[in-house]
Amino acid sequence: KQEVTQIPAALSVPEGENLVLNCSFTDSAIYNLQWFRQDPGKGLTSLLLIQSSQREQTSGRLNASLDKSSGRSTLYIAASQPGDSATYLCAVRPLRSNYQLIWGAGTKLIIKP
Amino acid sequence: ETGVTQTPRHLVMGMTNKKSLKCEQHLGHNAMYWYKQSAKKPLELMFVYNFKEQTENNSVPSRFSPECPNSSHLFLHLHTLQPEDSALYLCASSQEFDREYEKLFFGSGTQLSVL
Repeated sequence: KQEVTQIPAALSVPEGENLVLNCSFTDSAIYNLQWFRQDPGKGLTSLLLIQSSQREQTSGRLNASLDKSSGRSTLYIAASQPGDSATYLCAVRPLRSNYQLIWGAGTKLIIKP
Repeated sequence: ETGVTQTPRHLVMGMTNKKSLKCEQHLGHNAMYWYKQSAKKPLELMFVYNFKEQTENNSVPSRFSPECPNSSHLFLHLHTLQPEDSALYLCASSQEFDREYEKLFFGSGTQLSVL
């Protein structure tokens, strides 16, 4: 059974720092992995989607990597800003269940001015 | 106007009440979803509708009853809920489901409290 884990559950860093959020999954048989952002009391916004054949995806100050063999993905945020404060969730789409995403519980990120 | 709109934003109800959550998407998508998000737990998929047909019910208790009258609207009817049903209920849509690289678009959710 696929399980997705995000550690740490919460992270607080000063503005301007580069940081890495981690996501691990137990079964490497996936179509893709996605990173989402959720602001307090709001829905989710898709940030990056990495296909199983890809190693990384970039969007602005965000870079997501995927290592299927080790069951790990990282979300790198460069030059963090207070506006980056949010909860970041990762989700995988397993090969054997092509419609249902398996979600991590998220990392709550606080960027201190 | 956002792509996926949910109403109400907040709802407080007693265990004997009947209420409904509404979701509307303006993206021309054919698949719509209900998710439950409880504090510090992963999102739980509740129901999936594809082209107005329910394709998935993830062992959701019958006190939750979905309705999809057309591809743009999705309802979740609630009755005789329990306090443990208190959560953020999120609606999402996608062009279709059952596609490899499908992206989900979420509404802002309804924060439900059951007293």
